[in-house]
Amino acid sequence: QVQLVQSGAELKKPGASVKVSCTASGYTFSGYDITWVRQATGQGLEWMGWMSPSTGRSGSAQKFQGRVSMTRDTSLNTAYMELSSLRYDDTAVYYCARGGLHLPDDPWGQGTLVTVSS
Amino acid sequence: SYVLTQPPSVSVSPGKTATITCGGNNIGSKSVHWYQQKPGQAPVVVMYYDSERPAGIPERFSGSNSGNTATLTISRVEAGDEADYYCQVWDSGTDHRVFGGGTKLTV
Repeated sequence: QVQLVQSGAELKKPGASVKVSCTASGYTFSGYDITWVRQATGQGLEWMGWMSPSTGRSGSAQKFQGRVSMTRDTSLNTAYMELSSLRYDDTAVYYCARGGLHLPDDPWGQGTLVTVSS
Repeated sequence: SYVLTQPPSVSVSPGKTATITCGGNNIGSKSVHWYQQKPGQAPVVVMYYDSERPAGIPERFSGSNSGNTATLTISRVEAGDEADYYCQVWDSGTDHRVFGGGTKLTV
């Protein structure tokens, strides 16, 4: 079955960077985009951006531009989201999902909790 | 940027019909997806392309989209439908996806 498995929880200090991985199985990795979404505790879903595994092309929400990098390793069927210059309000669960230009995001990874604390 | 507006909460009795709206400027011209998120779980798509139901989603779930409002309707609501629901569209103007603020459905 189609599945996305994310890396484990992270604890980072303000100003550091975090890199979350998302490993796909059960489908052709290069055939769909990977979407990244985050959710702070008790808050709604916030779209961060997307990455095309086939081309490496990516796009991100304006608020993250300059701080986020979305990459992939096609040999490992794995996508990565790296967020730099972490702030306390970056504390959230980060999700990856399989998507595409007009496709729904489905399925989603299990989520990765990133905690920013001194 | 494109804004989607959802009511923060909807409350319904078991067996009744729940209606969750998603407002946006001329949203009827866009494709809307709906996600259900239960506590501690990742979101799951329950409706896509306005009114298409994924495999495994009960027929009690239906969707529509016209004018400035998209709607997710859940008939014969069950306790297991209690969750947060989010609408989503692709904003071609910014090439970004946008989520609504979410609606907490209480049964």
